[in-house]
Amino acid sequence: QQPVQSPQAVILREGEDAVINCSSSKALYSVHWYRQKHGEAPVFLMILLKGGEQKGHEKISASFNEKKQQSSLYLTASQLSYSGTYFCGTDLNDYKLSFGAGTTVTVRA
Amino acid sequence: GAVVSQHPSRVICKSGTSVKIECRSLDFQATTMFWYRQFPKQSLMLMATSNEGSKATYEQGVEKDKFLINHASLTLSTLTVTSAHPEDSSFYICSARDQLAGNPYEQYFGPGTRLTVT
Repeated sequence: QQPVQSPQAVILREGEDAVINCSSSKALYSVHWYRQKHGEAPVFLMILLKGGEQKGHEKISASFNEKKQQSSLYLTASQLSYSGTYFCGTDLNDYKLSFGAGTTVTVRA
Repeated sequence: GAVVSQHPSRVICKSGTSVKIECRSLDFQATTMFWYRQFPKQSLMLMATSNEGSKATYEQGVEKDKFLINHASLTLSTLTVTSAHPEDSSFYICSARDQLAGNPYEQYFGPGTRLTVT
């Protein structure tokens, strides 16, 4: 079952912060975050395994609350390069990923 | 890092013909590969899971006779779209899992193949 992502879109100015949420109705083993630019394949950002860990990639970090079956991606001090569509992929411990509908992030100068 | 390649990157074919897309893991052995399809402005949808030496497992709603998957070696999986129609036009992306990696749950994505059926 597809996870639910919110918001659908967000517009930021350089330096601003944003949070993207991903939630599932099923128990998750891991959550994967990707960013995709127009016409390109998704680029891996990070994976979070159950255990509530928080990971970081540059100024992008994420958390995973396995009890709530939710993950959040934090964009801190956004840069122009952060623009793109962010997808969360959820894994129910069968190695198969179900992707959310995506959140389009636009960072403006 | 682990690298996955796809070939071709773009293909245009006529309606009714078949198209083969290759997915290769370049520096690791992938016992499991996944095939996704992405329509414009939509999310990635898993089509099938491909295991080396065995039949692929298709997701609900995906026609196995139309999308033929062969995972003949630990580094190569192929997707053949048979009797392609314009509605099959999409971005096809494969990913591979390295079960020997530090994190076996991570999937490495290929660059994708854009199929246009005219």
